[in-house]
Order: sequence, then structure tokens, then C-alpha cells
Amino acid sequence: DTGVSQDPRHKITKRGQNVTFRCDPISEHNRLYWYRQTLGQGPEFLTYFQNEAQLEKSRLLSDRFSAERPKGSFSTLEIQRTEQGDSAMYLCASSLVRNTEAFFGQGTRLTVV
Amino acid sequence: DQQVKQNSPSLSVQEGRISILNCDYTNSMFDYFLWYKKYPAEGPTFLISISSIKDKNEDGRFTVFLNKSAKHLSLHIVPSQPGDSAVYFCAASARGAGGTSYGKLTFGQGTILTVHP
Repeated sequence: DTGVSQDPRHKITKRGQNVTFRCDPISEHNRLYWYRQTLGQGPEFLTYFQNEAQLEKSRLLSDRFSAERPKGSFSTLEIQRTEQGDSAMYLCASSLVRNTEAFFGQGTRLTVV
Repeated sequence: DQQVKQNSPSLSVQEGRISILNCDYTNSMFDYFLWYKKYPAEGPTFLISISSIKDKNEDGRFTVFLNKSAKHLSLHIVPSQPGDSAVYFCAASARGAGGTSYGKLTFGQGTILTVHP
């Protein structure tokens, strides 16, 4: 297993366009998390899944953001009608329920122009 | 509302010396703490953790100390090596509803550590 994989690594999009990111967690991990990181800040929690169930979503998360994990394996994060403020690194992480240590992917860097 | 704070944006240390990175938290529900290291263009990598039932956890050159009464934890790296140069994030977690498992991590802003040869 090569760890958590995210695709694409970089995405440049025009304001108003929709974008979708994919995350493939470590295969036996039943928890999957999405975080966002901007320059000079630590990762900020967006949402997480246990298997296919979305257990928590940040109150700060705009309704333009939606995440799915349809079969409890890979997950997608979609941002509709992107804004310049959405420019950030989007990080995916996975873990086992019994462990707190989450393993992160390399992230998808989004630039909205 | 920054519940986890790393008040030193950067730290510069000579190779072989001790590096001490500090972290403060405000949420008394946090009872599990972690340190992550991040190199440029990579995701954070787990380094070491500590449960609130302990006040110290050691793993090789890395030791984490927890002072619950002060809501403060620190990461000690001894001896520091140039390869330790990275951004270090402190993170905290609380048990979810039902108290059975932990959920999301709340991160500090990070401290850039530079170890000079």
C-alpha cells in the first residue's frame, strides 16, 4: 500500500467553475477526513466519513462544498461556483476508528483565478 | 476562535542542540494530542502523540510533554539534525459523542523549525 493518494496534485480553475478532487485512503482505513490549509495556517477540518457515512461537517463549510464516499472506499470533494477565497491546499487523511493518528495524502493545491 | 495555538512562527537551532516547540490549547475537552511534521509540497506526517493520562511520551530523539493544568504541551527534539528542518504542527482531539472514539483533529498554526549545520 502506497499510503493516501490524492488526485489531482494541482488544479487551476477560473472563478465560477466547479472542481472535484479525489482521495484514495489506505485500504483498511474506515475513517476518511478532508482538511483545507491556507498559507501560514494549520490544516482546518472540513468533514469526515466513517465508512460511507458522513459523521461530521464543519460549520464553516459553505454549501458550495460537498463530499461523498459512496462505497466506503475512495472519496470525492466537489466545490461548486469556485471563488478566489477557495484557493488553498486540500488535504485528505485516513485512519482506523480505534486510532487517532491520521495519515495524510500529499494534497491537492487549488488556485482560483 | 483558535483552540490550539503555536505562538512561535519560527525557531532556529544549531545542529546537535535541543529544539523545543510549544503549543497551548484552550478546549478542556481535548484529551489526545499529536505532533505532525510537514515538508514543502508534502502532506503532514505523524510524529508522536500523547494521551492526557500521561505527562510524557518518548520516541527516540522526540519527547512530548503535557501539562494539563496549564493546557500546554511541548515537543523536544534532541539532538536536532538538519533533516528535522520542517514545519511542525501541534494537533488535538476530543472524544466524540458517546465517548468511544476520537474524531477530527484541531491544528495549531505551525512552527517553522530550521536546524543549521
